[in-house]
Amino acid sequence: QLQLQESGPGLVKPSETLSLTCSVSGAFISSNSYYWGWIRQPPGKGLEWIGHFYYGGNTYYNPSLKSRVTISVDTSKNHFSLKLSSLTASDTAVYYCASPGYSSSWWPDFWGQGTLVTVSS
Amino acid sequence: QSALTQPPSVSGSPGQSVTVSCTGTANDVGYYNRVSWYKQPPGAAPKLIIYEVTNRPSGVPDRFSGSKSGNTASLTISGLQPEDEADYYCCSYTNDNTLVFGGGTKVTVL
Repeated sequence: QLQLQESGPGLVKPSETLSLTCSVSGAFISSNSYYWGWIRQPPGKGLEWIGHFYYGGNTYYNPSLKSRVTISVDTSKNHFSLKLSSLTASDTAVYYCASPGYSSSWWPDFWGQGTLVTVSS
Repeated sequence: QSALTQPPSVSGSPGQSVTVSCTGTANDVGYYNRVSWYKQPPGAAPKLIIYEVTNRPSGVPDRFSGSKSGNTASLTISGLQPEDEADYYCCSYTNDNTLVFGGGTKVTVL
């Protein structure tokens, strides 16, 4: 069973860069054809897709965040990461990592529990 | 990339049916059968309840059903139960390989 777990700081300062990691168990990132991605949810608001990548393939980002976002992978640790720069209070959100978990599927079926990131000085 | 349009809230009494709509464009909802639905109780991660417009994952009650017409998808909950009270989100995979979510609908069981 695929499991995802986010980790990172709960509090970051405005203008700084957020770094989050998603640890994957139950599957290897490098040996599957589905994507691995990030989704966020500001407090009391809806879900927002941030971006996803296919290992050995393309990476796609939300156009509204593209200039500030980088998603990368470390196959030796079987985890992938999110970096979001130039933070403002509007980046305060629960950040989820997610994946379809099945070949040829596109819908995010497996989600981490989420990690709350607060942007404040 | 604009969010898909959902009503902010719908409500119904136990046993009734409610329908949540999700309107997009020909580039997302209207593009093949790439619509999924999620149920999110307070404080929890979203859970998949419908994929590819009409399909239910194993374990999801058959009172949840999905449909689509043109650029609008719909989730129907038949025989509403108290445990169905939650936020519901639609999601679509677009023709440029991005994902887009709806703004969410709060379903209240009266």
